[in-house]
Amino acid sequence: AQSVTQLGSHVSVSEGALVLLRCNYSSSVPPYLFWYVQYPNQGLQLLLKYTTGATLVKGINGFEAEFKKSETSFHLTKPSAHMSDAAEYFCAVRHANTGNQFYFGTGTSLTVIP
Amino acid sequence: ETGVTQTPRHLVMGMTNKKSLKCEQHLGHNAMYWYKQSAKKPLELMFVYNFKEQTENNSVPSRFSPECPNSSHLFLHLHTLQPEDSALYLCASSQDTGGEPAPLHFGNGTRLTVT
Repeated sequence: AQSVTQLGSHVSVSEGALVLLRCNYSSSVPPYLFWYVQYPNQGLQLLLKYTTGATLVKGINGFEAEFKKSETSFHLTKPSAHMSDAAEYFCAVRHANTGNQFYFGTGTSLTVIP
Repeated sequence: ETGVTQTPRHLVMGMTNKKSLKCEQHLGHNAMYWYKQSAKKPLELMFVYNFKEQTENNSVPSRFSPECPNSSHLFLHLHTLQPEDSALYLCASSQDTGGEPAPLHFGNGTRLTVT
């Protein structure tokens, strides 16, 4: 079975500080991994994805994530938080052999303190 | 207009009403999805359509009835809903080629309140 765990439903950082949002997955086959962001009253927007190749993936708005197979993790980072980064962040996993099924985490709400 | 458009943005309905949610994608994608988003829960996949054919129905109660008349439009017909059905309903689309899984493109959702 596939599942996604996001540690910490709420994360607060100061403006300019490092952002670290954690995601761990369980999977019996190599996964495809995604991070989405949701701003208030909007749908989810793709931040970045890992499919194959380089394990450090860069996305939009200065975010990046690293796939670590040995730790079954795909943590999201950003060196310096902006006020505009305040949003809900979702990690998701999908496999080529499970049809159209995405498995989402429960989300992490990021607050940026001025 | 680009992306995935959902209407209405907000809907309040009584338990005996019948209403429909509409989704339109302008991306030329071949797959469309309905998701339910409730607070503090993972997104729940409800239905998937590939090339207008329903390929997944994740044990959704029959009071939710999807319709996909073409690859650009998706509806969710609602009748005799329960208060616990109140949630944000998200439509998404993707271009699936059978190879690497494609990311989902989401609409802004319909906030449904059942009274």
